[in-house]
Amino acid sequence: NAGVTQTPKFRVLKTGQSMTLLCAQDMNHEYMYWYRQDPGMGLRLIHYSVGEGTTAKGEVPDGYNVSRLKKQNFLLGLESAAPSQTSVYFCASTQRRARDTEAFFGQGTRLTVV
Amino acid sequence: QQQVKQSPQSLIVQKGGISIINCAYENTAFDYFPWYQQFPGKGPALLIAIRPDVSEKKEGRFTISFNKSAKQFSLHIMDSQPGDSATYFCAASPSDGTDKLIFGTGTRLQVFP
Repeated sequence: NAGVTQTPKFRVLKTGQSMTLLCAQDMNHEYMYWYRQDPGMGLRLIHYSVGEGTTAKGEVPDGYNVSRLKKQNFLLGLESAAPSQTSVYFCASTQRRARDTEAFFGQGTRLTVV
Repeated sequence: QQQVKQSPQSLIVQKGGISIINCAYENTAFDYFPWYQQFPGKGPALLIAIRPDVSEKKEGRFTISFNKSAKQFSLHIMDSQPGDSATYFCAASPSDGTDKLIFGTGTRLQVFP
């Protein structure tokens, strides 16, 4: 039972570098989400997708891009990393809309931008 | 802006005691209120959830109380155990049909023997 798998688990970037975080789910879920978790801020929604080929902005989308080319994968990209993007990133998926069902989370990616 | 306010930020409880975490929302109508539990190094996992048509839901030692008029909801953990030590997040989903959860800021619970 893999569930939601995030790659990589840890990463250190230099300011200005780019990277892509991969989220893969094997539950055939329609909806996928990217959150960032910062101390005292809880989980804040970056972008989300309601189905293959769709994306939408969340609360804090600036500096990030996403793509959902395949139903099972949701990619989060940082084009030019900044220290303010140091955070723990979580991917989640739901079978239906978040208001109707349980969200399943990955184990997180700890990103440090120096 | 944070639409769901959670308190306290941290909580220390002795084994066997009651842990109480509170959340409040304003200005927005929500119709689904889950609580998530997160252990260190792990992603959050659903603990218990409630809809506004009921005032209380109990699952084992965990109870959600919901006060629709006050726009408040709370998590009570009875007979708290060291294994309950984790961070707890309340969340709410808007009733306007948008497909997202708004999370609270989290409460770090420590239960000492």
